[in-house]
Amino acid sequence: DAGVIQSPRHEVTEMGQEVTLRCKPISGHNSLFWYRQTMMRGLELLIYFNNNVPIDDSGMPEDRFSAKMPNASFSTLKIQPSEPRDSAVYFCASSRQRDRIQFFGPGTRLTVL
Amino acid sequence: KNEVEQSPQNLTAQEGEFITINCSYSVGISALHWLQQHPGGGIVSLFMLSSGKKKHGRLIATINIQEKHSSLHITASHPRDSAVYICAAMNSGGSNYKLTFGKGTLLTVNP
Repeated sequence: DAGVIQSPRHEVTEMGQEVTLRCKPISGHNSLFWYRQTMMRGLELLIYFNNNVPIDDSGMPEDRFSAKMPNASFSTLKIQPSEPRDSAVYFCASSRQRDRIQFFGPGTRLTVL
Repeated sequence: KNEVEQSPQNLTAQEGEFITINCSYSVGISALHWLQQHPGGGIVSLFMLSSGKKKHGRLIATINIQEKHSSLHITASHPRDSAVYICAAMNSGGSNYKLTFGKGTLLTVNP
């Protein structure tokens, strides 16, 4: 299996622009997680899905952030409008519900100028 | 105050030394994870444990549920073990897949 796939790997954008991050979980995994990592705050859970349904989005910072999972093999995290404080590495991870070990994607490094 | 505390924040060792990284948590958990993040940024899950001890190669993870404490040990450390090690507590409540992370321990093993 190719593992969790994220795109793009790097994104540089200007403040106010819309940013869309993409994730393809490992086939057969039914839980998907979006995390953000910064130097100041470390790793933080933004939202997670079970069977394509959002279960806990309490980590989503504000209304500018939204996440969708239209099917079992694809999820997006959208930031609109982006701000410089959104600059971070965004990780997607997936797991099988029964064993809960999470497999992480390589991350998307986002820079908002 | 972070609900998951790690110590030390930074650790430098000589090749061959025995390494211990500690993790304390204040929340009720269903399991505790140890993750490894290499300088390139990739994150790998090392262990998930809810009691006792687990061993994988030179890595050993232990947990004491009563004391809310876990340790990660590396025997015969090697420069390739240099990485950030992160512990994460998995909630025991309804959102029982939610991970709360420690700030990480930066380990540098010198040859």
